[in-house]
Amino acid sequence: SYVLTQPPSVSVAPGKTARITCGGNNIGSKSVHWYQQKPGQAPVLVIYYDSDRPSGIPERFSGSNSGNTATLTISRVEAGDEADYYCQVWDSSSDPHVVFGGGTKLTVL
Amino acid sequence: EVQLVESGGGLIQPGGSLRLSCAASGFTVSSNYMSWVRQAPGKGLEWVSVIYSGGSTYYADSVKGRFTISRDNSKNTLYLQMNSLRAEDTAVYYCARGVAVAGIEYFDYWGQGTLVTVSS
Repeated sequence: SYVLTQPPSVSVAPGKTARITCGGNNIGSKSVHWYQQKPGQAPVLVIYYDSDRPSGIPERFSGSNSGNTATLTISRVEAGDEADYYCQVWDSSSDPHVVFGGGTKLTVL
Repeated sequence: EVQLVESGGGLIQPGGSLRLSCAASGFTVSSNYMSWVRQAPGKGLEWVSVIYSGGSTYYADSVKGRFTISRDNSKNTLYLQMNSLRAEDTAVYYCARGVAVAGIEYFDYWGQGTLVTVSS
């Protein structure tokens, strides 16, 4: 099955830029989606189709995808951005087709 | 406004059965693809099952043969029947509405989750 690899943790100071990576074999050929999950809450979609933002998601959240790495970028990080972030792809040749990364804990220092 | 509200979780002994419900509002369950995703305590997200608008169903290998996904169109509700439960099925179970376009699928709305604890 297809494997997505995320760093377990990323730390960033308020006001700085956080970058969370999601690695996978030729992931640039797939569409990557990102979810934010705060403690005790359900996941929330923050980026879909690599770089599109759902309504209500701040422009500070952006995404990119190329080669073997997709990246979620959070600019001007705020304390409220502290959460777990998961990447996800749909891979027709994988079983299961829906694949999540292991998640990255974003800590705002 | 789209809302998903799960219910039916609880403490169950190994080998027991439980049925989870996910009541939807703001859209029609039967016209969308719906999934169950679970999260074991302190762990990441794991896809469990899907039902497509046409009625096709699929399962993760870890639950195949034990879990059944279904929907009641009259109640606009999604279900997950879980049989032969094991300790490793302990998790928060989320229902999620899927978006499927040209072979690309993701989840745009999630319920708040219901906790299933399998323990003697």
